Amino acid sequence: QSALTQPASVSGSPGQSITISCTGTSSDVGSYNLVSWYQQHPGKAPKLMIYGGYKRPSWVSTRFSGSKSGSTASLTISGLQAEDEADYYCCSYAGSNTFYVFGTGTKVTVL
Amino acid sequence: QITLKESAPALVKPTQTVTLTCTFSGFSLSTIPVGVGWIRQPPGKALEWLAFIFGDDDKRTSPSLKSRLTITKDTSKNQVVLTMTNMDPVDTATYYCVHQDRSSWYELDYWGQGTLVTVSS
Repeated sequence: QSALTQPASVSGSPGQSITISCTGTSSDVGSYNLVSWYQQHPGKAPKLMIYGGYKRPSWVSTRFSGSKSGSTASLTISGLQAEDEADYYCCSYAGSNTFYVFGTGTKVTVL
Repeated sequence: QITLKESAPALVKPTQTVTLTCTFSGFSLSTIPVGVGWIRQPPGKALEWLAFIFGDDDKRTSPSLKSRLTITKDTSKNQVVLTMTNMDPVDTATYYCVHQDRSSWYELDYWGQGTLVTVSS
């Protein structure tokens, strides 16, 4: 099972919006509305930001939103802030055998 | 409040077997849809899932590592143990313990702080 494909890096200025893509296949992202996104600051554990493709946990700002089209999921960060600078990983359920597949990771830089 | 904490030897020699222990609180692993799993991350690299175990003792193991991994739980101690055999330097990584609920959306909602395991002679 290959990893989901994410851009290596995305950057934006404070206040701007950025979008991170996560491309999978018909065996994972394309088949299930079970994509989640994780934010990871250096030296820290990943933190759940989006689940079920677009749902936000209570601890996540409304500036973060998720969507999906076909086999590509996306994470959009609106009103970019310095604290959003981190690595972001997508993850999809991929059936009872493969179970999970993670993305390659995207480094977000706030200019 | 759900918390998880990993423990493991910091240094392991090649070919050895390593035992990683996750001690958790705030939930019961006797509840059928609830699960605990392991995710690892080599330095500077992406996340990789390893194994999960659920309240009904259902187990899922990464197909690429299936022959090397064993996951068990001790409900009375609130612990999950992952055993990985034949360790290699490429297995050097931070190993995270995570909570999951299959009755939700398969999200990994709570993570431990991680423990770094280095494989070197």
